[in-house]
Amino acid sequence: EVQLVESGGGLVQPGRSLRLSCAASGFTFDDYAMHWVRQAPGKGLEWVSGISWNSGSIGYADSVKGRFTISRDNAKNSLYLQMNSLRAEDMALYYCAKGRSGSYYQDYFDYWGQGTLVTVSS
Amino acid sequence: QSVLTQPPSVSGAPGQRVTISCTGSSSNIGAGYDVHWYQQLPGTAPKLLIYGNSNRPSGVPDRFSGSRSGTSASLAITGLQAEDEADYYCQSYDNSLSGSNVFGTGTKVTVL
Repeated sequence: EVQLVESGGGLVQPGRSLRLSCAASGFTFDDYAMHWVRQAPGKGLEWVSGISWNSGSIGYADSVKGRFTISRDNAKNSLYLQMNSLRAEDMALYYCAKGRSGSYYQDYFDYWGQGTLVTVSS
Repeated sequence: QSVLTQPPSVSGAPGQRVTISCTGSSSNIGAGYDVHWYQQLPGTAPKLLIYGNSNRPSGVPDRFSGSRSGTSASLAITGLQAEDEADYYCQSYDNSLSGSNVFGTGTKVTVL
């Protein structure tokens, strides 16, 4: 059974940093791209970032480019999102999602975690 | 703001057929990129409903079907059931945004 478990969310002040983690199990982690998708309270889904199976290709939404960094550790079956210079508009539930291919682009998401909540407030 | 536009809401009585449109442009759906659909029940994570325009993952009832034509795509739900009340999102790829996977604005389906 595929499982994705996010952690690392919490309350953070504007301008500060936070690192999210996603622990994956139940599939061959290093065969697939992985993604972060977020959902602000009461709003729709927004793709945040994706990383290919070997970290060779990485993509970001324009809204987070230059502030967020995605990475993965295939030895630990883990995905990460380093979020710097956080803004109020980054407040959201952050989902880890498994891609269906090895590349992050033109991909879709066949399994999702339950999300970790990031609250940005002073 | 999303580059894929969906109606904010659709509704129907049990047993009826409803459709949800997903309108894009020449840089996403019109460029031939596949469209995928997700169902998000209240308080839960999204679930893959349709992939590759019209394919259903194992376990998804055949009441759900998808199609793509030109710069748009559609999700149809036939024989609407109370458990179908949820938010639905389309998703594709856009080549004008530094290469981004993109979601639609989302549609709330209400079963009357």
